[in-house]
Amino acid sequence: QVHLVESGGGLVKPGGSLRLSCAASGFIFSDYYMSWIRQAPGKGLEWVSYLSGSGSKIYYADSVKGRFTISRDNAKNSLHLQMNSLRVEDTAVYYCARVWEYSSPYDAFDIWGQGTMVTVSS
Amino acid sequence: DIQMTQSPSSLSASVGDRVTITCRASQTINSYLNWYQQKPGKAPKLLIYGASTLQSGVPSRFSGSGSGIDFTLSISSLQPEDFATYYCQQSYRTPRTFGGGTKVEIK
Repeated sequence: QVHLVESGGGLVKPGGSLRLSCAASGFIFSDYYMSWIRQAPGKGLEWVSYLSGSGSKIYYADSVKGRFTISRDNAKNSLHLQMNSLRVEDTAVYYCARVWEYSSPYDAFDIWGQGTMVTVSS
Repeated sequence: DIQMTQSPSSLSASVGDRVTITCRASQTINSYLNWYQQKPGKAPKLLIYGASTLQSGVPSRFSGSGSGIDFTLSISSLQPEDFATYYCQQSYRTPRTFGGGTKVEIK
């Protein structure tokens, strides 16, 4: 069964750092782009970042560029998001999601984890 | 960035009603449009991809249409389990962007 499980969320002060992880199972992890998507409390969805199966192609939203770093370990079927210089406005539930290319170049986020909460507050 | 605008932002409907949600892109996105359903406290779930194709396991009362700029999500006969928030999302360009969501509530 295809499964994604995030971890690493918590409470951090503005300017602090946090590293999120996402453990994948049930599919060939290295075959898929993976993504982070976040949702601030009571708000909509915001795409944050994604990277290719090999990790060679990486994209970020402008709101996190230069502060967040996405990475993956295909040997361990894991995805990571290193978040530095955190701001109050980064407070959100962070979801990892699989990018499914159903018909190149069309894609969708077909599998989502349960999310991990990040709270940035003094 | 491509802006996605959904309307309405919320609606009240009764079980059995037909419901239509619209999504408009700020530029043409061909059929690079996906729809998601999110229930409170849960992760979003992919409902429709490529503007009109139902994801496996999604009931046939859901349908999607449109291309270019204007898209719709319809629920032919609203069921109790359909009360949720629905989001459109474009995959034509990076950054991927979502609509603001439409909350479907019980009347």
